[in-house]
This record gives sequence, structure tokens and C-alpha cells, in this order.
Amino acid sequence: KAGVTQTPRYLIKTRGQQVTLSCSPISGHRSVSWYQQTPGQGLQFLFEYFSETQRNKGNFPGRFSGRQFSNSRSEMNVSTLELGDSALYLCASSWGTSGSSEQYFGPGTRLTVT
Amino acid sequence: SQQGEEDPQALSIQEGENATMNCSYKTSINNLQWYRQNSGRGLVHLILIRSNEREKHSGRLRVTLDTSKKSSSLLITASRAADTASYFCATDGAAGNKLTFGGGTRVLVKP
Repeated sequence: KAGVTQTPRYLIKTRGQQVTLSCSPISGHRSVSWYQQTPGQGLQFLFEYFSETQRNKGNFPGRFSGRQFSNSRSEMNVSTLELGDSALYLCASSWGTSGSSEQYFGPGTRLTVT
Repeated sequence: SQQGEEDPQALSIQEGENATMNCSYKTSINNLQWYRQNSGRGLVHLILIRSNEREKHSGRLRVTLDTSKKSSSLLITASRAADTASYFCATDGAAGNKLTFGGGTRVLVKP
């Protein structure tokens, strides 16, 4: 079974631009979560989607948004990029609807904002 | 904000030794999970322990959970150089799959 895939793996953007990251979950998984990892703040939850609906949202500004498609693939978008948005963005998929099932993480997209 | 604090922040041991790291959290949980991350890559799930469990084993891993102290520990026995990684605990308390991660413990296993 293929794992979670994320594209692109690396991205360099300029302040003020916007970016879209993509995540394809493991086949059969309907939940996709996104996390931001930085050296200063660690791993922080961005949002979770299940069956195309956002179920949970972390404490991030409205510049961060996401969506999920009917095939469970998910995208996150960051508009008006700031230097502080430079981070490793990880997505995770899970078959379950609660935290009682393990989450499978993708390799991440490393975003650098200059 | 981070739910958990991990201790120590870094650990250096010789191959064959045991590595122990601790995680403390603040609010009540349903489950606690441990993940491993190699060199800024994706996280690999190691083990999940439910709030009504006290101890769980998986291969060379042993996890304990003390909900009265809001703490958990991860023991890696007979460590190998390949165990060099960062280890994170993650808790869930809210509905859905939102995980709150600790700051992580960086483990270096020297051959």
C-alpha cells in the first residue's frame, strides 16, 4: 500500500506570494491533518479534514487555509507569505475519526520564504 | 501551544545501552502516542497507549503511562545506531485527530 505523498517536497517563495501544498493520503483513509514544524515552535496542528469537511482548526491566522476533495486528497494554501512561514509542512492521514487510530505522516514539504 | 514537555531535550548514548525519555502533559487525554523523526523528515508512528492502559510493549520499545501524574515514558532497549532520531510524544484530548506534540527528545546513539 502506498504511503502518504506530499508535493512538492521543496519550495522557495518570496514574501507576499502565495503557495499551495498537496497531500495524497493512504488509500482508504478519509482523515487528513496538517502540521507545521519549525525549530522555534515545534510541531503545531493546522487543521484536519474528514470527508471534505474541516473538523478541527489550530491557532493559525486566516492566511492558512485548506480543503479536501472527494477522493480525500487535500491541499493547504498560505497566502501573503511571511518569513516566519518558513517551515516543514507535514500532512498525516488516518482511517479513524478519533485520536484512537495512528496517523501516517508524509515526508513533508519544506517551504522557504525569502 | 505544546501540550507536552519532553525530558531530556537531548540524549547521547552508546550502542547497546538503553535510552529513556519522558513526556509530561497538561490536560486529560484519550490516548498518547510516540513518534520518531529522522533528520527533519516525516514522522513514523511507534506506539499508541490508551488512557486506561499503564504499559505497552512493541519490540524493543516499552511505554508507560501514568495519568495521575500526566506523564509517559518511552524506553528503547539495546539501542542501535539506527535509533538516532528525534522522538516526540503526542496527545489527543479533543474530538477528531488533532494531536498536540511535545518538544521532542533528540537521541544520538554512538556506534
